[in-house]
Amino acid sequence: SQTIHQWPATLVQPVGSPLSLECTVEGTSNPNLYWYRQAAGRGLQLLFYSVGIGQISSEVPQNLSASRPQDRQFILSSKKLLLSDSGFYLCAWSVALTEAFFGQGTRLTVV
Amino acid sequence: EDKVVQSPLSLVVHEGDTVTLNCSYEVTNFRSLLWYKQEKKAPTFLFMLTSSGIEKKSGRLSSILDKKELFSILNITATQTGDSAIYLCAASVAAPYNNNDMRFGAGTRLTVKP
Repeated sequence: SQTIHQWPATLVQPVGSPLSLECTVEGTSNPNLYWYRQAAGRGLQLLFYSVGIGQISSEVPQNLSASRPQDRQFILSSKKLLLSDSGFYLCAWSVALTEAFFGQGTRLTVV
Repeated sequence: EDKVVQSPLSLVVHEGDTVTLNCSYEVTNFRSLLWYKQEKKAPTFLFMLTSSGIEKKSGRLSSILDKKELFSILNITATQTGDSAIYLCAASVAAPYNNNDMRFGAGTRLTVKP
């Protein structure tokens, strides 16, 4: 069966520090991968999606970036965090036209 | 601009009550409507609706889509405290490479009191 791992679960980082959140999927090949952010009281906002290794599409301009070095690995990064980057980050995967399945999320607090 | 609006934003009921959660959408290249339940962390999938007027059921939960009026409802009958969660609605839009691009609403926070 397919599983998705996302870590870390919580992170507190100072403003200006770098960020790296990792997500891996098991049990499926060539999944579509997504990074979402959920701000308090708001819906999930799609940040990045990837349909294959090295293929990244950005939905929202920001100081975050994403990379997909391997088929089932998706990384969210930043060189310098801003206060406004605080939020709950969710990784998800899907295959073709199916529903998406989510990881457990990372609660990021930028101080 | 794509828009998915859920109502109410929050709802408090007592066990045994029936609730109806609403989701309206205005998106380009609509493909399907999805409902998720988010209790603590990861949203868990409930339903995917593609055709109008066909009710999907899972236990006490049911959902239906109206593609003409661009809305969906999620019904929960005989609510239990375990139904307390944020319910998220998402409109899936057709995107390149069969990508499942979803636009989420803000969610409805349901609290079921004993």
